Amino acid sequence: AQSVTQLDSQVPVFEEAPVELRCNYSSSVSVYLFWYVQYPNQGLQLLLKYLSGSTLVESINGFEAEFNKSQTSFHLRKPSVHISDTAEYFCAVRRRNAGNMLTFGGGTRLMVKP
Amino acid sequence: DVKVTQSSRYLVKRTGEKVFLECVQDMDHENMFWYRQDPGLGLRLIYFSYDVKMKEKGDIPEGYSVSREKKERFSLILESASTNQTSMYLCASSLISGQISPYEQYFGPGTRLTVT
Repeated sequence: AQSVTQLDSQVPVFEEAPVELRCNYSSSVSVYLFWYVQYPNQGLQLLLKYLSGSTLVESINGFEAEFNKSQTSFHLRKPSVHISDTAEYFCAVRRRNAGNMLTFGGGTRLMVKP
Repeated sequence: DVKVTQSSRYLVKRTGEKVFLECVQDMDHENMFWYRQDPGLGLRLIYFSYDVKMKEKGDIPEGYSVSREKKERFSLILESASTNQTSMYLCASSLISGQISPYEQYFGPGTRLTVT
């Protein structure tokens, strides 16, 4: 079975600093990868996804993630964070031969401090 | 915009009660999902439905059942609530794979259930 590991449960960072949220997955076949964000008291929203093509994908609010097949990673980065980026971030992988089911990581809480 | 709504934001129930959590989506999505979210464990899939009256077990179905009588509505049922079912419950929906925005799941705001 596939699994997703988010190595950091919490990441504190000062405003305008760069940040990287790490995600590793286990799979020997091609995968589809996602990052979701959950702001306080809200449901999850899709931040970005990798389905095929360019290994670097970007979101509209300055986040990017790079699919690295050899390292089975899909780390999320932002060069300069804002207070409003404070949220929980979840990495997910589409399960092979399982329709539209996703396997989620444990989540990383990003805490941006002024 | 896709909208997924859940019947309650907060719910408090007693041990042994039968609990219904309702989810409605307004985008004619075929797939609907129920997850529970616990700190450090991320989201775990309870049940999945790909069509009316069709359902599949997820990773942690024990103690839960589901009902999908209409395409837009997916209900999660706790037959006899227990304290270890205290959690945040999230509903999601999606189109079937292969269409526009394949695999993207749209989430409701969640129901925080406390069982005392």
